[in-house]
Amino acid sequence: NAGVTQTPKFRILKIGQSMTLQCTQDMNHNYMYWYRQDPGMGLKLIYYSVGAGITDKGEVPNGYNVSRSTTEDFPLRLELAAPSQTSVYFCASSPPGEGTGELFFGEGSRLTVL
Amino acid sequence: GNSVTQMEGPVTLSEEAFLTINCTYTATGYPSLFWYVQYPGEGLQLLLKATKADDKGSNKGFEATYRKETTSFHLEKGSVQVSDSAVYFCALSDGGGATNKLIFGTGTLLAVQP
Repeated sequence: NAGVTQTPKFRILKIGQSMTLQCTQDMNHNYMYWYRQDPGMGLKLIYYSVGAGITDKGEVPNGYNVSRSTTEDFPLRLELAAPSQTSVYFCASSPPGEGTGELFFGEGSRLTVL
Repeated sequence: GNSVTQMEGPVTLSEEAFLTINCTYTATGYPSLFWYVQYPGEGLQLLLKATKADDKGSNKGFEATYRKETTSFHLEKGSVQVSDSAVYFCALSDGGGATNKLIFGTGTLLAVQP
């Protein structure tokens, strides 16, 4: 029972490089999310998706892009990495239905931009 | 906009001590409220929730009551264990709950000593 799987777990990038954080879930959840977690700042929503082909911006989308071609996958793309993107990134998924509020999180991807 | 404020940590307690972690919120409408827990090296997981005023959420000995008059959702446990050491996040549903987007507080680190 894998749940939400994120890869890679750790990555070091140089300024200006690009990369994709992969996220896949096997629970057939319609809703998926990307959050970043910075020390003392809690979690901030980057992008979310309510189904295949549908994505929308969250609170801090600048510098990121997403796509949702299948129900299972929700990759997060970083273009031209900057030190401000050093963070821990969490992917989450949720079944449809209003107000359930139960998000299932992956274990996180720690990204350092030098 | 909607927001969550929770007490700063770290909170350090001895085993079997009483725990309170304060959480207050600002929101329009009637959001659902949640506590999530993050154990070291893991993603967040739902601890408990309450969906309307005066509801009490409870799980694993933890409980919190949705207080609309004081806009609070404080987390309590009567007797903490070393295994409760983790970061605790208060959260509320944003956008009417239709997308299950959550707004998180900054998190409170709890350290329980034997």
